[in-house]
Parts: sequence; structure tokens; C-alpha cells
Amino acid sequence: GAVVSQHPSRVICKSGTSVKIECRSLDFQATTMFWYRQFPKKSLMLMATSNEGSKATYEQGVEKDKFLINHASLTLSTLTVTSAHPEDSSFYICSASGQGRLYQPQHFGDGTRLSIL
Amino acid sequence: GENVEQHPSTLSVQEGDSAVIKCTYSDSASNYFPWYKQELGKRPQLIIDIRSNVGEKKDQRIAVTLNKTAKHFSLHITETQPEDSAVYFCAASKVLTGGGNKLTFGTGTQLKVEL
Repeated sequence: GAVVSQHPSRVICKSGTSVKIECRSLDFQATTMFWYRQFPKKSLMLMATSNEGSKATYEQGVEKDKFLINHASLTLSTLTVTSAHPEDSSFYICSASGQGRLYQPQHFGDGTRLSIL
Repeated sequence: GENVEQHPSTLSVQEGDSAVIKCTYSDSASNYFPWYKQELGKRPQLIIDIRSNVGEKKDQRIAVTLNKTAKHFSLHITETQPEDSAVYFCAASKVLTGGGNKLTFGTGTQLKVEL
């Protein structure tokens, strides 16, 4: 149980392109979804927290107009990197936690490796 | 905000030996402490977690201890095997008002189990 699917797994595109990444919880309803960015051999840095039906909460230093997050349903959240540039190249990972129990573990997707040329 | 420190950054052990990874956190309101294992290019996978009302938890070869007073927690892996080689992340968390737990991750420990 607790499977999170993330697509695409890899994107290579030209500078200026907008890229959309999808995160789906397949067998549970995700009240909260999280988006992380991870640089090579580094830790996971939280970018934003999204709750279904409400605006995302962005961490300090993360541009909300650059990284658009939509959490339209209890099973889907999307991250759109708008007008991507080479410095946006990174490994982006989503996670989801369910509802009900107080302590909800986060379950991660497989990640998306974004390369901007 | 929360700050989590993790040591060591790299750890090399012989197969069969034990491995210990230590983390400290700064926010006394944190109440949930998961550990994740991440293999190269793959997703972090939850291996064990502990809540703030528990001092120790064990699952086969893996155990976690928590000292709330000192604000530190540790991961113990016994009888290590080559497949335990990976990066391990600790995290500290507190419940969000709207639900879910916001995780702050440590910097990671690269564990290498040598034959």
C-alpha cells in the first residue's frame, strides 16, 4: 500500500520551456502533498506544501510564480516549472501523506530528473 | 524553524558489523522522527519511524532511539549486509495545522558495507 506515482521520470528541454510534473497517490487519499528538490549528493530541500483545494505554502526563498503548484484533488498534485532555465535543472521529488491518523508518514514518488539545456 | 544535523556524512563498515547514525534537532515541538533509505537515483523509502512518546523502537535488524531531553535520535543497523549500502536520511517533523507532517531532513549519511 501507500504508492505514489510521479511522472515524468526524466525531462530534457530547452531553456524557456515550462515543464509540468505530476504526483499521484494511487491507493490512498493524500490530504497533503509535498514537493522537494534534491541536488546531487545532497539532502532533500522542501519547496512547498500543498493541501487539497487550497493554495500551496512555499518555503522561504522559493518563487511561487516560478514553481506553480496545483492540488486539485485528493490524489493529484502538479508542479509546473515555468520558463525553466539551466539553474532549474535538478531532481524533483514529491511525497504524499494520507488522512486519518495523527502521525502520517510521507511516501515518496520516484522523482523527476529535469535537465534544461 | 527546525534544524536537523546528521553525523557522520560517510560511514564504512565491514559486513556483519553494526552501523550507527546520529541526528540532533532544534525544535522541541517536533514529535515524529522517520528515517529514510535512498539508493542512487531512487526514491527515499521509509525504513523506521518513532514518535516522541516512545524512547526506542526496533524492527528486525534496525532500531531507533530517541532522547527528547537532549533532542537527539539515532539509527542502529545490526548485522549489516551489502544491500544496506545507501544514503540514509533522518528527519524531524511536527504536525501541520492543516494536516500532514512537515519534514526537515538531515544532510544524509552515505553508508557503505564492505565484503
